[in-house]
Amino acid sequence: DQQVKQNSPSLSVQEGRISILNCDYTNSMFDYFLWYKKYPAEGPTFLISISSIKDKNEDGRFTVFLNKSAKHLSLHIVPSQPGDSAVYFCAAGTYKYIFGTGTRLKVLA
Amino acid sequence: DAGVTQSPTHLIKTRGQQVTLRCSPKSGHDTVSWYQQALGQGPQFIFQYYEEEERQRGNFPDRFSGHQFPNYSSELNVNALLLGDSALYLCASSSLGGWDRGRISTEAFFGQGTRLTVV
Repeated sequence: DQQVKQNSPSLSVQEGRISILNCDYTNSMFDYFLWYKKYPAEGPTFLISISSIKDKNEDGRFTVFLNKSAKHLSLHIVPSQPGDSAVYFCAAGTYKYIFGTGTRLKVLA
Repeated sequence: DAGVTQSPTHLIKTRGQQVTLRCSPKSGHDTVSWYQQALGQGPQFIFQYYEEEERQRGNFPDRFSGHQFPNYSSELNVNALLLGDSALYLCASSSLGGWDRGRISTEAFFGQGTRLTVV
């Protein structure tokens, strides 16, 4: 049973537009939520996090939104750039993190 | 400041053999978690070490074992390798600073991983 789901395996967006990556989870006990970006042949790189006591966290072009009642998390990238093309993983947990299967984002120039 | 380093980067082993993977955490971090990432999947939690003890464990058989040293570096050992153990093994370091008091790290820094192929 997958506790963290990313239902879109891939997403294509034009450069300069908004990219929205979605993530759903089932366990209401999760305290923290993270987004990671992964390029081929590299380990995941931490991007942004949000605590369960907040509903929004911003860092530059990246904003994470948390809807606890819907158990839904989203990452907005504005404006999207070609260098953002990568696989994005959401992760949720407390002492350990459970990852989704990832969404491959392709930003078209 | 070196980030998380893992060795080796690639490894080919035969079924039934044993393998040891190594991880040095980021400076200042005291907790190491190991993940297995199969092709097309997200990382799956194997176990976590803090203060040289295994603190948490995911759904992996006893063939997977580990160790943490006083300098916080860690090893992952896999015995009796199966073809299905072929994957990217990721080490993540963080600073829990008292996990049993409910403090957790909101960030985990990952190494580049070790690509294990079992033939």
